[in-house]
Amino acid sequence: DTGVSQDPRHKITKRGQNVTFRCDPISEHNRLYWYRQTLGQGPEFLTYFQNEAQLEKSRLLSDRFSAERPKGSFSTLEIQRTEQGDSAMYLCASSLTDGLQIQYFGAGTRLSVL
Amino acid sequence: DAKTTQPPSMDCAEGRAANLPCNHSTISGNEYVYWYRQIHSQGPQYIIHGLKNNETNEMASLIITEDRKSSTLILPHATLRDTAVYYCIDFTYNFNKFYFGSGTKLNVKP
Repeated sequence: DTGVSQDPRHKITKRGQNVTFRCDPISEHNRLYWYRQTLGQGPEFLTYFQNEAQLEKSRLLSDRFSAERPKGSFSTLEIQRTEQGDSAMYLCASSLTDGLQIQYFGAGTRLSVL
Repeated sequence: DAKTTQPPSMDCAEGRAANLPCNHSTISGNEYVYWYRQIHSQGPQYIIHGLKNNETNEMASLIITEDRKSSTLILPHATLRDTAVYYCIDFTYNFNKFYFGSGTKLNVKP
């Protein structure tokens, strides 16, 4: 399978703990996106990278959130001092920078903060 | 920040055509109409996109009105596997991100 993969698929943590998620994009895709999705809502944009450069961050991305894409390949999203409101599905997508810019999504990481 | 409006849910009989409407009241001239769907517990899946002309691919057809204020996604022969939430999105290449609304939950029934 050469699609976008995310790890782990599920994460349960206690409030105040730090968590880190990983995303492996489609290999030739130079753009990588993170979205967050809460129950009953559509995905909300968090941030995106072109190669290793983080080009945009949403106001939803508080200072407890940090994302990296150190070598322009996989990316990590870290949440520090988790809160119950962080419970959500975290989705990763990747795309080329061609005219279509179709974003291909992974299956997501579901975070539950107890 | 979603700019499109869709009905929250629709039903369709298996084997019949499913017609999903979307209003694009604020769409601008350089914005494309994209459709994605999300099957339960999966990430969104690209279906089709268009600018002005009607489009068809192996998954669906997209009808865009002349004023571009509304579009319709057509699944010609819906199956139970098409049960999902369908999102229409106005996308500008300059902005590089999708604004998803709440979508339409399509229930395909036997």
